[in-house]
Amino acid sequence: DTAVSQTPKYLVTQMGNDKSIKCEQNLGHDTMYWYKQDSKKFLKIMFSYNNKELIINETVPNRFSPKSPDKAHLNLHINSLELGDSAVYFCASSHSGDSNYGYTFGSGTRLTVV
Amino acid sequence: AQSVTQLGSHVSVSEGALVLLRCNYSSSVPPYLFWYVQYPNQGLQLLLKYTSAATLVKGINGFEAEFKKSETSFHLTKPSAHMSDAAEYFCAVRSRGGGNKLTFGTGTQLKVEL
Repeated sequence: DTAVSQTPKYLVTQMGNDKSIKCEQNLGHDTMYWYKQDSKKFLKIMFSYNNKELIINETVPNRFSPKSPDKAHLNLHINSLELGDSAVYFCASSHSGDSNYGYTFGSGTRLTVV
Repeated sequence: AQSVTQLGSHVSVSEGALVLLRCNYSSSVPPYLFWYVQYPNQGLQLLLKYTSAATLVKGINGFEAEFKKSETSFHLTKPSAHMSDAAEYFCAVRSRGGGNKLTFGTGTQLKVEL
């Protein structure tokens, strides 16, 4: 019974295409996140949603658009894909009210743009 | 802004030897600190967390970490390394407010040799 699930696990696409990654959590958390892990394993937060409201929006190109239909789902849509978008994208979730609560991560989506 | 610095991007130990992975934090308020592990092609798994209840924190798989305010450190240790410990380890700090963002260090790859 997966806590945070992402689909697809692998995504290979051509430059210029538009693609989406889906994320769902069944932990009852109220906050969800998208992180990008580059080829050097560096993890950087992209977005955060709390109860469907955007609360963190780091310096991310506006080709990236998150969407949260409800607090259990957070999707990431990417327009006009570029080579530099190749990375592993992780979804995570947590409780918002208690900062000593860690995040629960999905297993990642490896995006390769060719 | 809160941040963490991991010293040593690669650490190599012999099986059965002590594991020491270093993490220093920068924070103007008492931080919430975490260690995560990432096995190859997998997501991040929480190893342990510091929440100010105790300075010595025990985690899963025999790992522990000690919070030292005087040294602004939160180093991860394990008395005896096992081959299965080979992975990428991330130290992270969670901010209070501002979306409770979890900020990661650059990671340390642990290699365990026979």
